[in-house]
Amino acid sequence: AQKITQTQPGMFVQEKEAVTLDCTYDTSDQSYGLFWYKQPSSGEMIFLIYQGSYDEQNATEGRYSLNFQKARKSANLVISASQLGDSAMYFCAMREVHTGTASKLTFGTGTRLQVTL
Amino acid sequence: DSGVTQTPKHLITATGQRVTLRCSPRSGDLSVYWYQQSLDQGLQFLIQYYNGEERAKGNILERFSAQQFPDLHSELNLSSLELGDSALYFCASSVSTAQNIQYFGAGTRLSVL
Repeated sequence: AQKITQTQPGMFVQEKEAVTLDCTYDTSDQSYGLFWYKQPSSGEMIFLIYQGSYDEQNATEGRYSLNFQKARKSANLVISASQLGDSAMYFCAMREVHTGTASKLTFGTGTRLQVTL
Repeated sequence: DSGVTQTPKHLITATGQRVTLRCSPRSGDLSVYWYQQSLDQGLQFLIQYYNGEERAKGNILERFSAQQFPDLHSELNLSSLELGDSALYFCASSVSTAQNIQYFGAGTRLSVL
């Protein structure tokens, strides 16, 4: 069974600094996808970044980058130049690549990030 | 705005009652997923539909059911509600591509009193 582990329940970072949120995963599949979502206090789930298991380059989306280390089964999210609006809960998730159209996401327990002045 | 619409935003009801949550996927997305987020269980996958047919099932209770209609909107029906069903229920949708990124709606917050 798939498992996602986020070991940091909470993190603090100063505005304009970079921060790394940890995520490790466990799967026996060779083909899978890794995702990060942001959940602000308002509750919605916002997609941030995606990394495929066969992608050779680390994914980047603006200030977000995913540090993908396949051998270590880690997919850490790096947020550069933190902003006050980055304060939120962050979830790492994994998707097994099923044949056909069946799919689901397995989520970690999340990391609450607080950006301070 | 993800393009996924969920209604209602909030729902307050009593134990034993039945409610229906509605989801309209992003234009062009054929897959709809339902997730439950609660304090004790975290974010859990409930069920997926693709173009009207059930495709994947998680730990969805027998008291819960879902369907996807020909216009691709989906409904999640929760019956014989218990206090423990209080949670944030998310709908997500995706195009069936290799990435298959799921975009989430804003959620329906269900409070069972």
